[in-house]
Amino acid sequence: KAGVTQTPRYLIKTRGQQVTLSCSPISGHRSVSWYQQTPGQGLQFLFEYFSETQRNKGNFPGRFSGRQFSNSRSEMNVSTLELGDSALYLCASSLGAGPRSGANVLTFGAGSRLTVL
Amino acid sequence: AQSVTQLGSHVSVSEGALVLLRCNYSSSVPPYLFWYVQYPNQGLQLLLKYTTGATLVKGINGFEAEFKKSETSFHLTKPSAHMSDAAEYFCAVSSPLVFGKGTRLSVIA
Repeated sequence: KAGVTQTPRYLIKTRGQQVTLSCSPISGHRSVSWYQQTPGQGLQFLFEYFSETQRNKGNFPGRFSGRQFSNSRSEMNVSTLELGDSALYLCASSLGAGPRSGANVLTFGAGSRLTVL
Repeated sequence: AQSVTQLGSHVSVSEGALVLLRCNYSSSVPPYLFWYVQYPNQGLQLLLKYTTGATLVKGINGFEAEFKKSETSFHLTKPSAHMSDAAEYFCAVSSPLVFGKGTRLSVIA
């Protein structure tokens, strides 16, 4: 079955612009998580959505936002871009349900590489 | 809050030698622990996970890890390194999934 699909794969923006990244999860997966990966900070958790509701949120400013649609597809938006937002943004999906949902395996997409000039 | 510490940002081994990547975690509840691998320009791929039960967990590509509660450790090992093992390895604790800084493994011919 198809994996996690992220679009676009590469994009270049300038400071002050905004960007929207898209993620299509594996069919049947209802949880989508987003991560920012940079050489200095490593992999940092942005947020997790389950059934269109934000279930967890990392320590990022309000410029970073996301949403999930009824078909489980998710988007994240970064407004007023800064140079430090240049990163690989990874989306991951999982089944996400049940009291032991933390044991679910996250399946990652290939990422969207954002460069801010 | 849960956290993970990976000792050594870069590990270099000879082909055929033992691979040992160290991971220590902090968690206020019984943890779910994972190892992921990332090849250049790709996303992360699951190697193995520990949830409950047997503390020695076997994963793909000959890797295994042992959960030691008393040491709060979840070190990753492989008896014999192969050139194709060169990649970045991440230890993580859930939930939500929180990653360590990663260890880059180089394999020398």
